[in-house]
Amino acid sequence: QVHLQESGPGLVKPSGTLSLTCAVSGGSISSRSWWTWVRQSPGKGLEWIGEIYHSGRIGYSPSLKSRVTMSVDRSMNQFSLKLSSVTAADTAMYYCARRHDNGEYFDIWGQGTMVAVSS
Amino acid sequence: QSGVTQPPSASGTPGQTVTISCSGSSSNIGSNTVNWYQQVPGTAPKLLIYTNNQRPSGVPDRFSGSKSGTAASLAISGLQSADEADYYCAAWDDSLNAFVFGGGTKLTVL
Repeated sequence: QVHLQESGPGLVKPSGTLSLTCAVSGGSISSRSWWTWVRQSPGKGLEWIGEIYHSGRIGYSPSLKSRVTMSVDRSMNQFSLKLSSVTAADTAMYYCARRHDNGEYFDIWGQGTMVAVSS
Repeated sequence: QSGVTQPPSASGTPGQTVTISCSGSSSNIGSNTVNWYQQVPGTAPKLLIYTNNQRPSGVPDRFSGSKSGTAASLAISGLQSADEADYYCAAWDDSLNAFVFGGGTKLTVL
């Protein structure tokens, strides 16, 4: 059973860079899966940030594309998210999730990690 | 700005059947599969329905999904208090090249 666990700083300063990691256990990050980031601002709905395949293929949300970088570390079986030039609007719960490459759904989710942008 | 639209709220009494709608366009629901997620407050979303009408293992058959044209719906029969949660539909959008989520529907069991 694949398990995902997010980690990273809970507080980031405005104009700084948000950096999160999602550790994959119970399975290989090199499996036929897209590794995804989704966020949820307080009291709001879900927003797809983007996804990455183990080969490095990526897809980013058009609204965040200029500030997002995703990467995969196959040796550590984890993947990462960097979001630059953050503002208070980036304060949210950040979830990592898995999508099979033959489906359009996210079947496994991490528990989420809350990131606040504040000075 | 979401490419798919859901009603913000829905409600029902125990035992009733509730239906939640999800309206999209030809670039998302009209040409791709719809998936539904259940999010109990304070927890991560959980896949509830995938590929329009399939249930993952462990999801009761009280939950069912359907899709017609550019719209989809989630039906919950035999409503239970444990079903109180937020429900989100989602689909790939060919125009945006992105996954889009509906705004979510908060289900209250009266």
